[in-house]
This record gives sequence, structure tokens and C-alpha cells, in this order.
Amino acid sequence: NAGVTQTPKFRVLKTGQSMTLLCAQDMNHEYMYWYRQDPGMGLRLIHYSVGEGTTAKGEVPDGYNVSRLKKQNFLLGLESAAPSQTSVYFCASRNVGLGGYTQYFGPGTRLTVL
Amino acid sequence: AQKVTQAQTEISVVEKEDVTLDCVYETRDTTYYLFWYKQPPSGELVFLIRRNSFDEQNEISGRYSWNFQKSTSSFNFTITASQVVDSAVYFCALSEANSGGSNYKLTFGKGTLLTVNP
Repeated sequence: NAGVTQTPKFRVLKTGQSMTLLCAQDMNHEYMYWYRQDPGMGLRLIHYSVGEGTTAKGEVPDGYNVSRLKKQNFLLGLESAAPSQTSVYFCASRNVGLGGYTQYFGPGTRLTVL
Repeated sequence: AQKVTQAQTEISVVEKEDVTLDCVYETRDTTYYLFWYKQPPSGELVFLIRRNSFDEQNEISGRYSWNFQKSTSSFNFTITASQVVDSAVYFCALSEANSGGSNYKLTFGKGTLLTVNP
């Protein structure tokens, strides 16, 4: 039981390049999330999904796209990376239901855009 | 709107001291959940505790204790006899329980960096 895993752990991109971050969970959770963490800012929600085939925007969605083709996977894409997207990205998942369920986080991906 | 404030940006203590991390929240919901997460230097986010708004009992887990006071909208975290391994960033977070709207959302404070010196 691996919980939430993220691939890759580290990545360096040049401005304008594209990439996809993969999040996988083996807990059969319906809800999945992508956050970014920047110094002094806490965690901010980028996009989330309440089930397979559904996605929605969070607080800071610009410059990112997501897809949830399979229940266990949630992909985050950067089509044209910018230095402002240098950050640590966390994926999380939780059970469906009212807001009381705990979100469990992956180990994070450190992305640097030059 | 949900909001979580952790006014202490950084705290530094000497090992074996007790330390309290403050968390103040804002919400319009009458039913909500509060969380604490720990982020050690290795970077992962570790879930510590969840409390619901109907349960104001304080909780103790080993050297950790939590004080929830609805009257002051606070959910403070105390580490007793701190150790070097407690050095981490600690996040307080809030989730509303309403069945529509923002029940998916977990709002984080900006975190408190705790450094425990030997």
C-alpha cells in the first residue's frame, strides 16, 4: 500500500517547455488535488477532481491543465512553463463525502523553471 | 470565506522546552474540521490530527496536545519537552462540512517554522 505517489521527484525545465506531473493513489479515493507550495505562502490549490472524468479549478489554475482519466491517477500539465511556476507541487487525495475527511499527501515534486 | 492565520512565522526553542503553535481560523459554517500537518525538512506533509467543530475536548497524543476553543476560534498545538526531531514547518488547516460549495476545499495557514536547538 503505497498511498499517494508522485512522479517525478525533481525536474528542471527551460522557459516554454512542457511537462506532465503524475499523481497516483491506491486508496480508492474519489477526490484528488494538486497544490503548489511557495515560500511564505502555504499551500495553494491549483485544480481538483471529485471523480474520474471530472476536474475543476482551484485558487491558482492559470498556466496549468489537469486530467483524471482513471480514478487512481491525476495528471498536472504545464503547456509552456514560466519561471513563476518554479515551486514544489503536492498531490493529495481523500474519500468522498463532507469536508471532514483527511487529505493524504504525496511526497512532492520540486520543479525549477529556468 | 475560510481563512486560517498562523501569526508565528518562525519559533526557535532549546530542546526540552515546551512550545505552543497558534492557529486562528475564520468560517461561516457551523460544522467544520480543523487539521494540523507537519512538514519535516525532508519535505513530505504528515497528517497529525483532525478535530470537528462539535468536539471541543482537548486531545493529547504523547508529547503533543491540542487546545480547541470555539469561543476564540483557535486551535493551538503544544509540544511538550521538545526534541530536535520536532523541527519542521507546521501547518494548520480548515475544511468546511457543507454539502455543496466549498466542502472539497482545505484551506491552509502559511505555516510556522519550528526550530528546536540541542
